[in-house]
Amino acid sequence: EVVLTQSPAILSLSPGERATLSCRASQSVRPYLVWYQQRPGQAPRLLIYDTSNRATGVPARFSGSGSGTDFTLTISSLEPEDFAVYFCQQRTSWPLTFGGGTKVEI
Amino acid sequence: QVQLQESGPGLVKSSQTLSLTCSVSGASISSGGYYWSWIRQSPGKGLEWIGYIYDNGGTYYNPSLKNLVTISADTSQRQFSLRLSSVTAADTAVYYCARGILALGRGTYFDSWGQGTLLTVSS
Repeated sequence: EVVLTQSPAILSLSPGERATLSCRASQSVRPYLVWYQQRPGQAPRLLIYDTSNRATGVPARFSGSGSGTDFTLTISSLEPEDFAVYFCQQRTSWPLTFGGGTKVEI
Repeated sequence: QVQLQESGPGLVKSSQTLSLTCSVSGASISSGGYYWSWIRQSPGKGLEWIGYIYDNGGTYYNPSLKNLVTISADTSQRQFSLRLSSVTAADTAVYYCARGILALGRGTYFDSWGQGTLLTVSS
């Protein structure tokens, strides 16, 4: 199965700063990399699908990039509600797998 | 707008079979284009995809759980269910049901999730 490694595990930033989160795959997942946001006590929320497509209602400050095995989620200017845990997921092959998450904290 | 809601016992004894149900509103689970899935989250294993049932009743399970998992659907009730047999403490987790999108390429991603239900396995 495809192993996804996210880094860093914790990212300490302030509101207004730029956040750059990484997701590396053990083999190429082509463009089929997905990002979710999870706030405390909530279910994951779809942010980005297939590398760079924002889901409905997701603000433009969230963007995704990458290809093959290396992918990045960027939050251009952190808002207070963006402090959460972010997960990547690949859909290139079964079983679907998720990364371990990056916590963005103040 | 689709909504999903899990329900289950909360506590199961080790070696028993757990059963969870997901009630869906705002969409039909028999209409095409969706993978109705179960995903769990535990501190030790993170997020783990368990399996799905498709609109034609076809199922596919994570090979790591394949012999222990059954996913079924009751389209008249707009529900789909998870059964996991021979549970151990390692199966303690928050269990989510989710809707996966049929998209170009392989696999799926999840655009709607239930709120999750905590299942604890006791010895």
